[in-house]
Amino acid sequence: RKEVEQDPGPFNVPEGATVAFNCTYSNSASQSFFWYRQDCRKEPKLLMSVYSSGNEDGRFTAQLNRASQYISLLIRDSKLSDSATYLCVVRASNTGNQFYFGTGTSLTVIP
Amino acid sequence: DVKVTQSSRYLVKRTGEKVFLECVQDMDHENMFWYRQDPGLGLRLIYFSYDVKMKEKGDIPEGYSVSREKKERFSLILESASTNQTSMYLCASSASGRAADTQYFGPGTRLTVL
Repeated sequence: RKEVEQDPGPFNVPEGATVAFNCTYSNSASQSFFWYRQDCRKEPKLLMSVYSSGNEDGRFTAQLNRASQYISLLIRDSKLSDSATYLCVVRASNTGNQFYFGTGTSLTVIP
Repeated sequence: DVKVTQSSRYLVKRTGEKVFLECVQDMDHENMFWYRQDPGLGLRLIYFSYDVKMKEKGDIPEGYSVSREKKERFSLILESASTNQTSMYLCASSASGRAADTQYFGPGTRLTVL
């Protein structure tokens, strides 16, 4: 079973739409959660950390549900520049603090 | 700004060759990582290092070795390249403690083994 599972998409949405990505993780000892963004042929970059209480950064909202081992990312008012692959990442204390990456969800925002 | 550089963006090697991939970071980070990224499989950890001369195996270390002689440099070595090692290789670094939560990636090396 994969440590982190994501719907690969692709998600094709019009500009201005709201889109949500989901991610599940298998290790109940996971303690740190992140969303990374990866543009085509570029390296991943941290988009935002995910906190237990949920957190928001402009148009982006991240939620964590520890009981269900589920993480989400909501993008409101999608822009063309949001087109990228979004990677769900978890880190667990019982695996040497390694980072585990999902395979990513592809988003294309259409004019 | 943290900068992580990798020695090559594109590399073509032949089966059986010894391949060196170099990674350098300029932020005095303790932690460094080597991943490979393949379609449908995501990023998988090959090796990581928490200190100079220290190394730990990740999830897929077979066929690879690493070297960390200096804090800023982490090298990945393919002892005898094989076609199934054709992949995108990404190096990353992070600070220690709470700041270890953020990984900074290099631009990647796309390796093709013929």
